[in-house]
Amino acid sequence: AQSVTQLGSHVSVSEGALVLLRCNYSSSVPPYLFWYVQYPNQGLQLLLKYTSAATLVKGINGFEAEFKKSETSFHLTKPSAHMSDAAEYFCAVTDNAGNMLTFGGGTRLMVKP
Amino acid sequence: GAGVSQSPRYKVTKRGQDVTLRCDPISSHATLYWYQQALGQGPEFLTYFNYEAQPDKSGLPSDRFSAERPEGSISTLTIQRTEQRDSAMYRCASSPQSGGVTDTQYFGPGTRLTVL
Repeated sequence: AQSVTQLGSHVSVSEGALVLLRCNYSSSVPPYLFWYVQYPNQGLQLLLKYTSAATLVKGINGFEAEFKKSETSFHLTKPSAHMSDAAEYFCAVTDNAGNMLTFGGGTRLMVKP
Repeated sequence: GAGVSQSPRYKVTKRGQDVTLRCDPISSHATLYWYQQALGQGPEFLTYFNYEAQPDKSGLPSDRFSAERPEGSISTLTIQRTEQRDSAMYRCASSPQSGGVTDTQYFGPGTRLTVL
């Protein structure tokens, strides 16, 4: 069975500050990992995904994430937050056993001016 | 179509009534997923289709829930005899390939179901 834990249901940063959203996973087989973003009244949009190629993955809007097998982590970062980054972020995992995504509980990012 | 669409966007119903939610995936996408998202939580898998086949419905909470995709395109999710605990956002997603575990899933805007 797979699971995803996102530490911090709410994260607040100042505009221009580093964004760090934490994601830890549990999987009995090599995982594939995803970060999705959800803006109000919209569907989830893929930010980036790890599919066992490079461990440092770059995504849209300046976000990146690093897969660390030893730490079972896939934290999302962005060097400088913009007001437009305020949204809810979901980490998800899947593996070769099935197509479904297992999501974490989400982290709501607030950006202060 | 340009993206995944879902209808209705909002549905309010009374306990005991049946509801049917619709998902129109990106055209030519082979795989279609249904997720349930309770308030303040991440989406949880319900079921998926490869074309019209439904290989996995292990996430359906009870036999009151059923889904169809008869022609391998549009899908419906039906909840019979709704209960208040069924209140949630229901999300549909589609992906291009059958069996593509690393494929991006493209999500629709969701249907917000409220059971009074």
